[in-house]
Amino acid sequence: DAGVIQSPRHEVTEMGQEVTLRCKPISGHNSLFWYRQTMMRGLELLIYFNNNVPIDDSGMPEDRFSAKMPNASFSTLKIQPSEPRDSAVYFCASSLVGGNTQYFGPGTRLTVL
Amino acid sequence: DAKTTQPPSMDCAEGRAANLPCNHSTISGNEYVYWYRQIHSQGPQYIIHGLKNNETNEMASLIITEDRKSSTLILPHATLRDTAVYYCIHAGNNRKLIWGLGTSLAVNP
Repeated sequence: DAGVIQSPRHEVTEMGQEVTLRCKPISGHNSLFWYRQTMMRGLELLIYFNNNVPIDDSGMPEDRFSAKMPNASFSTLKIQPSEPRDSAVYFCASSLVGGNTQYFGPGTRLTVL
Repeated sequence: DAKTTQPPSMDCAEGRAANLPCNHSTISGNEYVYWYRQIHSQGPQYIIHGLKNNETNEMASLIITEDRKSSTLILPHATLRDTAVYYCIHAGNNRKLIWGLGTSLAVNP
């Protein structure tokens, strides 16, 4: 079975550019989570969706960050404009609604110069 | 926020059992204990979870104390591939997971 798929795996961009990260959850999973991981702050939940509806976006750092889930098999996390402090590994995870057994993708390593 | 306390690092000899402790004194009655691990440069991986009974699966065993204020994850025969950061989390269903710093386990040959 395919796990959670994220693209791109690596992204290097310049400050001020728009960045779009993509995620395809495991088929049949109804919850999707976006996390950010840095050495300084560890693993932080940015936002999660249940049945394509955003439930909690309190972890989104500021208005430069936005996330969408147009259907059950696709989600995007967009940063516009990007800043060097956004450099991190971004993980997407999915699970069944109501469950906390989350399955993580391989992550996208973002570097903003 | 739901907080757990874990030692920052541990060592274990290859082939021996690795026992990773976790304190979760603020756990409430309907919250489960979850264990995940993160191997370097990979996404976190679910290991096991439990409510109050001990649990075992193909990866590990989970021992939860009777008062549920602490638990131990046991890797019965650690291998080099078990070197990772291990996270202990308590959360109720449909509640977001709060990730601490975990325990960095080094399995040595």
